[in-house]
Amino acid sequence: ETGVTQTPRHLVMGMTNKKSLKCEQHLGHNAMYWYKQSAKKPLELMFVYNFKEQTENNSVPSRFSPECPNSSHLFLHLHTLQPEDSALYLCASSQEGGNYGYTFGSGTRLTVV
Amino acid sequence: GIQVEQSPPDLILQEGANSTLRCNFSDSVNNLQWFHQNPWGQLINLFYIPSGTKQNGRLSATTVATERYSLLYISSSQTTDSGVYFCAVERDTGFQKLVFGTGTRLLVSP
Repeated sequence: ETGVTQTPRHLVMGMTNKKSLKCEQHLGHNAMYWYKQSAKKPLELMFVYNFKEQTENNSVPSRFSPECPNSSHLFLHLHTLQPEDSALYLCASSQEGGNYGYTFGSGTRLTVV
Repeated sequence: GIQVEQSPPDLILQEGANSTLRCNFSDSVNNLQWFHQNPWGQLINLFYIPSGTKQNGRLSATTVATERYSLLYISSSQTTDSGVYFCAVERDTGFQKLVFGTGTRLLVSP
């Protein structure tokens, strides 16, 4: 498997549920990111991890909890979400000092009911 | 924070036509990337171009960093070029924390 893989592709969850999104990169990159894409809005950076350490938390509500156990895997744990959290959640990776840019996964389309 | 504006917001082309998409940014940047998002949501990196000109097949991009803009050229457009084109920039060096523009939605009709 190559590139950045995200699972699941689609997720429907109730407001009281707990679920997790998974991202895996096979590129040897040392940084990973979570972005949120809502309708009619630009992509919003949520979290940045480099060398497994969180270096950015862009004022994200605590109902979103990231986890980066190693440089290849990134999770986004979800609990007690609101309907307005419905969006496309995109994972990306990059290499510091590299000049090839981001590689994005295919995203998880989340619907909160 | 840095502002990124893209124009036009929407563009409809006949297959075979050429087009130019523009990205203006409000501050000096060390990183600028162009992405294409297909109708299924997949974002593909087209160019890493903080300055200068690059070409890849029918696509080319030019960034004039001193004047704070970048252009994406699409020649001989095809229906598969449809989707949303995003420009994203970053001011700081180090790990890339890109700020995205609102995109240009392109529809190429046969």
